[in-house]
Formats: sequence, C-alpha cells, structure tokens
Amino acid sequence: AQRVTQPEKLLSVFKGAPVELKCNYSYSGSPELFWYVQYSRQRLQLLLRHISRESIKGFTADLNKGETSFHLKKPFAQEEDSAMYYCALISGGSYIPTFGRGTSLIVHP
Amino acid sequence: DSGVTQTPKHLITATGQRVTLRCSPRSGDLSVYWYQQSLDQGLQFLIQYYNGEERAKGNILERFSAQQFPDLHSELNLSSLELGDSALYFCASSVVSGANSPLHFGNGTRLTVT
Repeated sequence: AQRVTQPEKLLSVFKGAPVELKCNYSYSGSPELFWYVQYSRQRLQLLLRHISRESIKGFTADLNKGETSFHLKKPFAQEEDSAMYYCALISGGSYIPTFGRGTSLIVHP
Repeated sequence: DSGVTQTPKHLITATGQRVTLRCSPRSGDLSVYWYQQSLDQGLQFLIQYYNGEERAKGNILERFSAQQFPDLHSELNLSSLELGDSALYFCASSVVSGANSPLHFGNGTRLTVT
C-alpha cells in the first residue's frame, strides 16, 4: 500500500532562513509526486509536481527514489510562505492522490 | 468564481441524523473527489466519480454514500451520524483522472456532530 509521511507537524523559521519540508513515501513502483499548499483562508491548491521539474515561488522539490523522498526546499523563506503544506503521491493506475498529514510552516519576521 | 463550490460551509447536527454535502466542480472538470480531514489526520480519500460514474472508492463507511449527477455536481450523503464523523469534508475536481490532471479543491464543509 502506498503511504506518504510528513514527519513534521510544524516547522518554524525566520525570514530569510532556508526551509526544507520533508516528505517520504512508500511505494514500490514509479510514483508521481506533488506538493499542495493552503494559505490562510484560501483553498488547497497545487504548488508543484515533480514531473514538471519547475520552481514555483522559489520552491523546488527533487524526487529521490533511493531515499524515497520528495522534500520541498526554499533557500530564503518569506513571511508570505507561511501556510500548510501537503505532500501527495499518485501511483500506478489508481490516479487517486494519497496525501500526507501536512506540515504547518510559520515564517517569522 | 468558476472554481469548486461546496455548500454548506458549516453544518452542525446531532448524532443519528443524516446530512447531504454538495459540490459543484470547476467548469469543464469531469472528475469529482471527496476527502475527509479529521483532527490531526491528513486528507483521507473517500470516493471518486468521473462523468457520473463511480471510479474509485477509498475508506468510505457504509453509512456514507455519494453520487454525481448529469450536470456533474456531486453530493455526499452521511447518515446515522456519529461524533467521530465530525470533520472537514473537501471536494476536489479535475479535468480527467490522471497524474497530469491536478486536483482543484473547494473550501470544504465543516461538519460538527454533537
């Protein structure tokens, strides 16, 4: 069975500091991985997906199949990055995203 | 706003009752997903519909049922409600069903069972 683990419920950093939100997955095949974000009083929305290899709002995420990880990184955190971040996995032919429990990122001024 | 619309925003009801949550997908999206988010839990997949037909089922209780209508809106019916059913229920939609079709979420319906 597929599973997504986000080990940190809360991550607190200061503005300008690097940030890394951890995501580990368990799945034996080739997964599709995503990061979704929910800003305060807004709906959950897609931030980025690994197949696009894109950088959105300064965030990047690299799929590491050896470590089964898809950590989200940003070199210099901004206050507006404060939000709830969810890692999600799609596997095989199900096409149903499995979500982690989420990590709350707080960026202090 | 042509995004995913969920009604009502809040619902307070008593144990044993039945409620219906409604979801209108984003214009052009054929697939609808229902997720449950309880306290300290991630998003738990309940059920998916595609163009009116049930496509996938997750951890949905037998007391819960859903359907997608010809106009593509969907309803999630929760019956014989228990205190543990209190949660945030999200609806999401996508154009098709696949990894290249990201989910677009509604704002959720917060259900409180007293």
